Amino acid sequence: NAGVTQTPKFQVLKTGQSMTLQCAQDMNHNSMYWYRQDPGMGLRLIYYSASEGTTDKGEVPNGYNVSRLNKREFSLRLESAAPSQTSVYFCASSGLATSSGANVLTFGAGSRLTVL
Amino acid sequence: QKEVEQNSGPLSVPEGAIASLNCTYSDRGSQSFFWYRQYSGKSPELIMSIYSNGDKEDGRFTAQLNKASQYVSLLIRDSQPSDSATYLCAVTRGSGGYQKVTFGTGTKLQVIP
Repeated sequence: NAGVTQTPKFQVLKTGQSMTLQCAQDMNHNSMYWYRQDPGMGLRLIYYSASEGTTDKGEVPNGYNVSRLNKREFSLRLESAAPSQTSVYFCASSGLATSSGANVLTFGAGSRLTVL
Repeated sequence: QKEVEQNSGPLSVPEGAIASLNCTYSDRGSQSFFWYRQYSGKSPELIMSIYSNGDKEDGRFTAQLNKASQYVSLLIRDSQPSDSATYLCAVTRGSGGYQKVTFGTGTKLQVIP
């Protein structure tokens, strides 16, 4: 049972280059998320997908695009990378906690991106 | 005012002591409360959830919730060096489909052997 798998784990880009971070979950979760984590800033939501076929902006969407390819996969694309996008990116998915109905997040291992 | 506030620490406690981690939140409509543990270089993992006022115990961990004071805490009894990590408080609003999850910036805990 892999949970949430994201690739690549590490990536170095030059300013202006593009790349896509891939994420897949095998838990049959409806909702998926992309966060970035920066020192002193905590986890900030970039985009989320409440269900297959829908995507919405989070707290810091500028410079990113997403695609919910199917129920399992949710990708994050940087069209023209900037040094300000140097960060650790986490994909997460959520299922309902049976006792409360609250969404519980399961995170991927993270992708460390450096933009030079 | 941040939506979810935590002292960044580090909080240093000796091995075997009780570690007390605190979190306050601003949205009175918040419904569910979580503590995630994050080891350095790793992803967050859920360790506790609490939904109603009072205490919830799971092994060495106790989560406490006071909605009137908008306060959540995590107590770790008999702290071990393996508990050294950053602890993230998360607060959720909404029900069903999408629920807005807001994280605090985390408190770094150091357990000294």
